[in-house]
Amino acid sequence: DTEVTQTPKHLVMGMTNKKSLKCEQHMGHRAMYWYKQKAKKPPELMFVYSYEKLSINESVPSRFSPECPNSSLLNLHLHALQPEDSALYLCASSQWRGQGNGYTFGSGTRLTVV
Amino acid sequence: GENVEQHPSTLSVQEGDSAVIKCTYSDSASNYFPWYKQELGKRPQLIIDIRSNVGEKKDQRIAVTLNKTAKHFSLHITETQPEDSAVYFCAALPYGGATNKLIFGTGTLLAVQP
Repeated sequence: DTEVTQTPKHLVMGMTNKKSLKCEQHMGHRAMYWYKQKAKKPPELMFVYSYEKLSINESVPSRFSPECPNSSLLNLHLHALQPEDSALYLCASSQWRGQGNGYTFGSGTRLTVV
Repeated sequence: GENVEQHPSTLSVQEGDSAVIKCTYSDSASNYFPWYKQELGKRPQLIIDIRSNVGEKKDQRIAVTLNKTAKHFSLHITETQPEDSAVYFCAALPYGGATNKLIFGTGTLLAVQP
């Protein structure tokens, strides 16, 4: 299995809702990432997990809460989002620190906040 | 931290012509340089990458060159086809570094005219 699977593919949520994005990989990668991508812009790093521990938080607002339950799963919990949070949310995985061949991205969740 | 600049932002070529996209990076510790192709509404897909101990790498119609001294790397696509039309992102990573943080360039929208 050489893929990163993200669910759901599309999500519409209100500003008072709580929802979660899910990401799964079975490549044995020990680093997993959340990126946010706005239209016509590059992906912007949000969080990095290495060996199931949060290693980087790029000053992301607390309404985004990541979780890594095990080495194959990564979640992003969403609460009280704003319309400007609407974007494509990409999960990625890789080997850690010099091993392997770069990042593999999931197909993303297109999030719309209304 | 690392900063990656990418030029041009848009590129239009005739089918069969060559296309060249250029990137510069700032952190001399960066030693891994992937290129991603992103079609509209889809995930970024790795198309080619190069490590700092190599000056050039080729895969069929795609090649990447790296000049470590000048901190430049470039993507070359020969015999372009309409299906090459997409946004291309370069990126830099200090592989083996403490953060495993992939930094993207701003993207190039390539349009191949039939």
